[in-house]
Amino acid sequence: AQTVTQSQPEMSVQEAETVTLSCTYDTSESDYYLFWYKQPPSRQMILVIRQEAYKQQNATENRFSVNFQKAAKSFSLKISDSQLGDAAMYFCAYRSANIGQLTFGSGTQLTVLP
Amino acid sequence: GAGVSQSPSNKVTEKGKDVELRCDPISGHTALYWYRQSLGQGLEFLIYFQGNSAPDKSGLPSDRFSAERTGGSVSTLTIQRTQQEDSAVYLCASSWDGLNSNSPLHFGNGTRLTVT
Repeated sequence: AQTVTQSQPEMSVQEAETVTLSCTYDTSESDYYLFWYKQPPSRQMILVIRQEAYKQQNATENRFSVNFQKAAKSFSLKISDSQLGDAAMYFCAYRSANIGQLTFGSGTQLTVLP
Repeated sequence: GAGVSQSPSNKVTEKGKDVELRCDPISGHTALYWYRQSLGQGLEFLIYFQGNSAPDKSGLPSDRFSAERTGGSVSTLTIQRTQQEDSAVYLCASSWDGLNSNSPLHFGNGTRLTVT
């Protein structure tokens, strides 16, 4: 079974600064997808960014980018120019190419300091 | 609809009672998922529907938990004889195609269940 590990339960960053959230996963598969979701106090999970394992190029969405290291099974999220609205719980998730559901990590609570 | 809708938003029930949680997925989405999120924890997979069938119900914690989906749309998660450890937020998600792993999941706002 796949597992996803987020070793940072809490992180903080100054507004306008850059922060990196860590995620590692364990799998024997070669074809899969990785995701970062954000969960604000409203509870709704919002997709931030996704990465296909077969793509070597790191995904980027505006201020959000990932550092995908397939051999190391690492998938970190970098948030540049942090904004107050970025404060939320961030979850890393794994999805096999053959299975529908996502496997989530335990989350990192990000605080943005004004 | 505009998004995944879950009802009720909050539910308080007494230990031993049955509860039903409802999920209305995005129109046209064939796949539907139920997750459970305990306080301060990650998301625990419960069950996945493709159309009306459930190819993976491996996450249901006990036979007190069941779910169904009718008409390829609305799903109901039922918890019988609720226990205090069932207290959690129950999240529903849908995706256009559960067989295509690139199809992202869209989540509802969840139902917060409190068992007293």
